[in-house]
Amino acid sequence: DVKVTQSSRYLVKRTGEKVFLECVQDMDHENMFWYRQDPGLGLRLIYFSYDVKMKEKGDIPEGYSVSREKKERFSLILESASTNQTSMYLCASSLESGARGYEQYFGPGTRLTVT
Amino acid sequence: TQLLEQSPQFLSIQEGENLTVYCNSSSVFSSLQWYRQEPGEGPVLLVTVVTGGEVKKLKRLTFQFGDARKDSSLHITAAQPGDTGLYLCAGARTYKYIFGTGTRLKVLA
Repeated sequence: DVKVTQSSRYLVKRTGEKVFLECVQDMDHENMFWYRQDPGLGLRLIYFSYDVKMKEKGDIPEGYSVSREKKERFSLILESASTNQTSMYLCASSLESGARGYEQYFGPGTRLTVT
Repeated sequence: TQLLEQSPQFLSIQEGENLTVYCNSSSVFSSLQWYRQEPGEGPVLLVTVVTGGEVKKLKRLTFQFGDARKDSSLHITAAQPGDTGLYLCAGARTYKYIFGTGTRLKVLA
């Protein structure tokens, strides 16, 4: 069965802290994604990776960085958390990529609150 | 800039009613997907439509991709409480998907 896991379901951090969100997939997928989800805005792509050590900026990369040292693991890093980064963070993976359609498998999400 | 607008934003209906959710854009997409997300979980893919005018059926759910590949609709027949959730459309642009604003559906027993 397909599985994407995220390290925490809920996280509370203080402004200025460095925050690590971890995502692991067990499907040997090439592609991994980080989104944030906010009411009325849908999901917005922060970063994605199509191979180990490769990364591409999404639509809203400012204030975030990522790391992919192993195929199964994709980390999202908030270098200095700010209150406007309070959100639900979703990780996803896919076997294929391309505009003709590929299925993304999502993790359960991490609800991050920055105070 | 939000490229995909969904309507309605919220919908509360009685069990057994029919409903339609719309996903509209001024941009063309090479493919379009619909997801359902339940509370505390990530979105789960329901369908992918690729060809303009394409209609796909999944039990009581009917999905249509507009002829010009700019819009899509999701029709649910005889809604059930198990259909409750957040419905998201997502359009493919080159290597990534743009997600819609979402429609939150509640079906009352």
